[in-house]
Amino acid sequence: SQQGEEDPQALSIQEGENATMNCSYKTSINNLQWYRQNSGRGLVHLILIRSNEREKHSGRLRVTLDTSKKSSSLLITASRAADTASYFCATDAVSGNTPLVFGKGTRLSVIA
Amino acid sequence: DTGVSQNPRHKITKRGQNVTFRCDPISEHNRLYWYRQTLGQGPEFLTYFQNEAQLEKSRLLSDRFSAERPKGSFSTLEIQRTEQGDSAMYLCASSLEFGDHEQYFGPGTRLTVT
Repeated sequence: SQQGEEDPQALSIQEGENATMNCSYKTSINNLQWYRQNSGRGLVHLILIRSNEREKHSGRLRVTLDTSKKSSSLLITASRAADTASYFCATDAVSGNTPLVFGKGTRLSVIA
Repeated sequence: DTGVSQNPRHKITKRGQNVTFRCDPISEHNRLYWYRQTLGQGPEFLTYFQNEAQLEKSRLLSDRFSAERPKGSFSTLEIQRTEQGDSAMYLCASSLEFGDHEQYFGPGTRLTVT
């Protein structure tokens, strides 16, 4: 079963705008990871945030984590057409011995 | 190339045939995972190995599916008597045993069962 739920399911923005995607999950976690997937391809690891962290930055990416609400957000600033992809959050359970549990993803379209 | 590789990239087979996929993880990673992804969904866990030991299998992994990692390096996933419902992208990932368990994915094998 899939634990994470991304919101929105689809998002369309103009190049240069910011894109925000949200993820909610159900159980206690060790960390939360965000991945990008271009159409028909494998997943690319973007960023990992640990359960004791609240915010993390990597280039144009900003991730927040609120463990009390069991939610995370991914912000992509100054979006580019090349950012067009599906974005998934994945959680790593507290035990650390279980695989990642993915949501259904947010499909982002950046229009040039 | 230091990434995860998978072969073949695409496989078309007729219902009832057996297929085998291969995954070569990042060399220093001792954990290897198999996931399945269908259209519009996120990846779903199938099974994972730590070195050569298969530590966990999902309920999605029916009796027709078997995975091996005989020497703790590459892994194979075999599907016997394929069904149309097996059509999906099969993804392999690897990670270190310790630390944050960041998983790095291969490009996937797309299976089409006709």
